[in-house]
Amino acid sequence: AQSVSQHNHHVILSEAASLELGCNYSYGGTVNLFWYVQYPGQHLQLLLKYFSGDPLVKGIKGFEAEFIKSKFSFNLRKPSVQWSDTAEYFCAVNRGNQGGKLIFGQGTELSVKP
Amino acid sequence: GAVVSQHPSWVICKSGTSVKIECRSLDFQATTMFWYRQFPKQSLMLMATSNEGSKATYEQGVEKDKFLINHASLTLSTLTVTSAHPEDSSFYICSATAAGEGLTDTQYFGPGTRLTVL
Repeated sequence: AQSVSQHNHHVILSEAASLELGCNYSYGGTVNLFWYVQYPGQHLQLLLKYFSGDPLVKGIKGFEAEFIKSKFSFNLRKPSVQWSDTAEYFCAVNRGNQGGKLIFGQGTELSVKP
Repeated sequence: GAVVSQHPSWVICKSGTSVKIECRSLDFQATTMFWYRQFPKQSLMLMATSNEGSKATYEQGVEKDKFLINHASLTLSTLTVTSAHPEDSSFYICSATAAGEGLTDTQYFGPGTRLTVL
């Protein structure tokens, strides 16, 4: 079945460690890719998105993601995490012909130890 | 900008009653609104897509007669859970996409509504 997969369910890091969260999707054709973050008790916020162009996308709060079409991947990275990055991270895919419909990955819970 | 609100933020109801959840785009006109359901420690599952003035499009497995969606204006969509049962207890989240260059296909999410059916 077509899907969005996030490899890690729960990631625990110390402050200043580097972060990489995996996201793979199985749709062919044109896709738009998103990473959303959900801080404890808050609503989902857009971190970054890729529609076209430079496959390395920079988002808010020092996050970036790289679209690798051949690997159907859109991994999220941050060179140095902070305690305030503790949150749930969701990868989502929108197929270009689906009118904005988003399919979400399972989510990755990130815990950053101070 | 691009703020989406939901009301109520939480609701507790008895089994068999109906509950209405509102989703509003506060500072933009929403061409499309989406309704999701999120179970604890799980991802968001799309329930339906609604466009202003049209019937909602429901995802496979979602009962349209149980989850009534009305999108009466470009800033308001409502989800009514009819004859709610304990298994309907969940976190319901709406999102909206805005008209305008660069905004299409980016969804802005509401804070969610926690429904508990006793």
